[in-house]
Amino acid sequence: DTGVSQDPRHKITKRGQNVTFRCDPISEHNRLYWYRQTLGQGPEFLTYFQNEAQLEKSRLLSDRFSAERPKGSFSTLEIQRTEQGDSAMYLCASSLRSTGQETQYFGPGTRLLVL
Amino acid sequence: AQTVTQSQPEMSVQEAETVTLSCTYDTSESDYYLFWYKQPPSRQMILVIRQEAYKQQNATENRFSVNFQKAAKSFSLKISDSQLGDAAMYFCAYGSSGSEKLVFGKGTKLTVNP
Repeated sequence: DTGVSQDPRHKITKRGQNVTFRCDPISEHNRLYWYRQTLGQGPEFLTYFQNEAQLEKSRLLSDRFSAERPKGSFSTLEIQRTEQGDSAMYLCASSLRSTGQETQYFGPGTRLLVL
Repeated sequence: AQTVTQSQPEMSVQEAETVTLSCTYDTSESDYYLFWYKQPPSRQMILVIRQEAYKQQNATENRFSVNFQKAAKSFSLKISDSQLGDAAMYFCAYGSSGSEKLVFGKGTKLTVNP
């Protein structure tokens, strides 16, 4: 049973460039989440999908951020016109919908550095 | 909005000893879930233990146990017989039944001394 995978693991980009991250959830999981973690902080929720539908977005997800999960499997998170403040670890998690709050399983993250 | 507070930025423990990490939270909800996650250096976050608020019995997982005090909104993690591999950042997290997002505290860095 493979866990959640994320690609790339590290990304360095120049301010103003666009970047895209990919997340592959655990295969039978129908829920997928994106979080952002800055240094010295806990993860902060960005958005989540149930299958291909994006059901909740945080106010942290500005217009420059867009997430998709086109076939209800993998997901992409794109940041347009990156800013230095976007430097962070971007974490993906997945879960299997059931009654109550499911356990979320996290991937290794993509560390973004914007120069 | 729910908040999670971890008041201990860093803790240390001797190998084989017991340590308790603190977590308090603020919510007006009655149905929710609490989690402790472990994040080793440069490695992914893994679940240590979870507690459903409707359960009065404290959750245990091998050397890990919680002290859940619902009225006090407190959720501490006890690690018994600490091992070198327990060294990590520990995050307390809150999950509401009405929302799928988790709200995390800022974390406690645990050092285990040989």
